[in-house]
Amino acid sequence: NAGVMQNPRHLVRRRGQEARLRCSPMKGHSHVYWYRQLPEEGLKFMVYLQKENIIDESGMPKERFSAEFPKEGPSILRIQQVVRGDSAAYFCASSLDLIIAKNIQYFGAGTRLSVL
Amino acid sequence: AQKITQTQPGMFVQEKEAVTLDCTYDTSDPSYGLFWYKQPSSGEMIFLIYQGSYDQQNATEGRYSLNFQKARKSANLVISASQLGDSAMYFCAMREGLTGAGSYQLTFGKGTKLSVIP
Repeated sequence: NAGVMQNPRHLVRRRGQEARLRCSPMKGHSHVYWYRQLPEEGLKFMVYLQKENIIDESGMPKERFSAEFPKEGPSILRIQQVVRGDSAAYFCASSLDLIIAKNIQYFGAGTRLSVL
Repeated sequence: AQKITQTQPGMFVQEKEAVTLDCTYDTSDPSYGLFWYKQPSSGEMIFLIYQGSYDQQNATEGRYSLNFQKARKSANLVISASQLGDSAMYFCAMREGLTGAGSYQLTFGKGTKLSVIP
């Protein structure tokens, strides 16, 4: 039973380039969440998606960042024209059922983005 | 105001001893869930234990238990019989509400780094 798969694990980009982070949720999970972790900090919510729908992107910067979760394929977090401040670990999580109180979010191993 | 506060940046514990990691939370929502995650040096986030605000008993999962004191708004993680593999960052997180805006977001504390000494 594969867990949440994120790739790449490490990504190096120069300022101004684009970064694409991919996330395949656990089998049977239809809810995907993206979080960002800055050094020495906890995770911060960015966006919540269901298949083909962005439900809440209140934590995502208004510019340069976008996310999608297409009908087929992984969820993608896209950062255009990266800047040094985008350097962080980006985690994807998935869950089975939103309505139940427990609603455990299971996390992938993260993508560490370094912007040179 | 911080919604999740972990006051211990770092903790040391002797192998085979028990250790308590503190977590206090702030919410006015009567319905919420509290979670603990472990982040080893390899970086992944591993779910450990969950406590619901309406749960009558403290949650337990193997060597992990949650000391839930609702009136004090604390949800401390207790690890019994510490092992070297327990050395990691530990994060407390909260989900507020069962439905509605923001009810799916996890809000994390800054974490506690636990080091287990042989």
